[in-house]
Amino acid sequence: KAGVTQTPRYLIKTRGQQVTLSCSPISGHRSVSWYQQTPGQGLQFLFEYFSETQRNKGNFPGRFSGRQFSNSRSEMNVSTLELGDSALYLCASSQGSIETQYFGPGTRLLVL
Amino acid sequence: GNSVTQMEGPVTLSEEAFLTINCTYTATGYPSLFWYVQYPGEGLQLLLKATKADDKGSNKGFEATYRKETTSFHLEKGSVQVSDSAVYFCALQETSGSRLTFGEGTQLTVNP
Repeated sequence: KAGVTQTPRYLIKTRGQQVTLSCSPISGHRSVSWYQQTPGQGLQFLFEYFSETQRNKGNFPGRFSGRQFSNSRSEMNVSTLELGDSALYLCASSQGSIETQYFGPGTRLLVL
Repeated sequence: GNSVTQMEGPVTLSEEAFLTINCTYTATGYPSLFWYVQYPGEGLQLLLKATKADDKGSNKGFEATYRKETTSFHLEKGSVQVSDSAVYFCALQETSGSRLTFGEGTQLTVNP
């Protein structure tokens, strides 16, 4: 069974721009969660989607948003990028909300 | 709120040495506990998990026991290899949802 895939793997943007990241979960998994990883803050939960509905949200500003499609694929969007948004963005999928999460390789975003 | 505390790193060992990485947590209820490993340039891989008190998770020679009385989930391995060099994250997941709360991570380097 294929693992979680994320695209793109690397991205360079400038301040003020917006970015969309994509995540394809493991086949059969209906829950997708997003995390931000930075050297200073570590791993922080962004949000979780299950059956196209946001179930849970972390403590991030409204510039961070996401959605999930009927095939469980998910996208997250960051608008008006700031330098501090430079991070590794990790997507994780699970069969259900309280099941074990399996992570993708991440998208490394650099904001200049 | 929930929190996870890991022993400060980095940890440097010689091959075949014994490894312990301490992890303690604060949570309401009875969370599930996990160890994830991250190799350079990659996402997180699930190493092992335990879902209730006194459960022992094990995988690839690594073990950890869910100790409710001491709120701990220490990671151990009897004989480390150079290929075990990575960053190790302890995490908890609430019973009510998907959010993973991570520790700071511990960098392990194993020298030949």
